[in-house]
Amino acid sequence: DAKTTQPTSMDCAEGRAANLPCNHSTISGNEYVYWYRQIHSQGPQYIIHGLKNNETNEMASLIITEDRKSSTLILPHATLRDTAVYYCIVSPNTDKLIFGTGTRLQVFP
Amino acid sequence: DSGVTQTPKHLITATGQRVTLRCSPRSGDLSVYWYQQSLDQGLQFLIQYYNGEERAKGNILERFSAQQFPDLHSELNLSSLELGDSALYFCASSVADGGWTTDTQYFGPGTRLTVL
Repeated sequence: DAKTTQPTSMDCAEGRAANLPCNHSTISGNEYVYWYRQIHSQGPQYIIHGLKNNETNEMASLIITEDRKSSTLILPHATLRDTAVYYCIVSPNTDKLIFGTGTRLQVFP
Repeated sequence: DSGVTQTPKHLITATGQRVTLRCSPRSGDLSVYWYQQSLDQGLQFLIQYYNGEERAKGNILERFSAQQFPDLHSELNLSSLELGDSALYFCASSVADGGWTTDTQYFGPGTRLTVL
């Protein structure tokens, strides 16, 4: 069973920041937070992961609260191509990723 | 393009039949993972192979089997097909055995199986 809770859907205007929340209140000390996304029916795509420090890469930023019970994925300037289902996953490694239902992000013009 | 290839893209068959899905991992990747995505079950992990050996098993039915060959490509065999097996089947690959936190899985484009 997925250990995360995400909103079912969110909207975001093109060019604005998209902030996708994820609750993982039962996360263990050795578990990382991973984010993947799936555009339409394509294969999921890795975005970013982190343990407790905030992380940033060319795709997004990941903000993890100090108690690690929740996190936020930030797409700084959303484009129409960012419309996808975003999955937040907690796992000690990348073995047997357990995908939940994710958040369907719709970016509108 | 993730570098992972899957064939065929689409497959239509009848109940009771057997099919084989093929996956070629990214160059240099030793692990192959198989996932099933159906409308009612979401994305489910089926099985993982690492360097030719089965490493982890998920919700894989007994009618399904997989193997990884010496050239590291993998095949997923589905037999005695039922209507409920209609789904997208994804293959993913990673460099190592998945035990590293940074061992990113790269997914292929999937095979859409329709059982009539």
